[in-house]
Amino acid sequence: DIQMTQSPSSLSASLGDRVTITCRASQGISNYLAWFQQKPGKAPKSLIYAASSLQNGVPSKFSGSGSGTDFTLTITSLQPEDFATYYCQQYYGSPLTFGGGTRVEIK
Amino acid sequence: EVQLVESGGGLVQPGGSLRLSCAASGFTFSSYWMSWVRQAPGKGLEWVANIKQDGSVKNYVDSVKGRFTISRDNSEKSLYLQMNSLRAEDTALYYCARSNAFDIWGQGTMVTVSS
Repeated sequence: DIQMTQSPSSLSASLGDRVTITCRASQGISNYLAWFQQKPGKAPKSLIYAASSLQNGVPSKFSGSGSGTDFTLTITSLQPEDFATYYCQQYYGSPLTFGGGTRVEIK
Repeated sequence: EVQLVESGGGLVQPGGSLRLSCAASGFTFSSYWMSWVRQAPGKGLEWVANIKQDGSVKNYVDSVKGRFTISRDNSEKSLYLQMNSLRAEDTALYYCARSNAFDIWGQGTMVTVSS
């Protein structure tokens, strides 16, 4: 199975900050990488697919990069609605696997 | 409106069975792979199973192989998860999601396995 390791597991940031979350795959997955946002009590929301493609309706403050084993999600100008938990997921091989999540909290 | 609505969750004793359903609307259900994803209380996301558009290919996470069966009825625009030999560790909120983009998710249905 392909293991997905996210870091950090949590971070504190202030309104207006730029934050970066990293995700590392245990083997190369090309660009078969997605990012999700989940708020408490809600279903996950897709932000990015194919490592860097923004889902329809997702603001451009979210961006993704990377290929192979190392990937990043960057969020610029943090706003209150961005405080949530973020997950990466690989869909290169079965079983599909998620990272452990990164909780973004208000400083 | 594009949506997925899960149902069928509940409280079941260890060793028991449940069948989850997911009703799709607002898109051509038969054109998409579909998945089940679960989330144990306070934990992260875990992909459980997926199924190809015509039902000919099914994949499972190792922990549910031989116990869970994913299926679909394209005429009814519905996805199912038959869960047998349930264990305490299967306790989770179960989501259905449109694959492989995972761009559409249901609201989830809670499964609690406890005596």
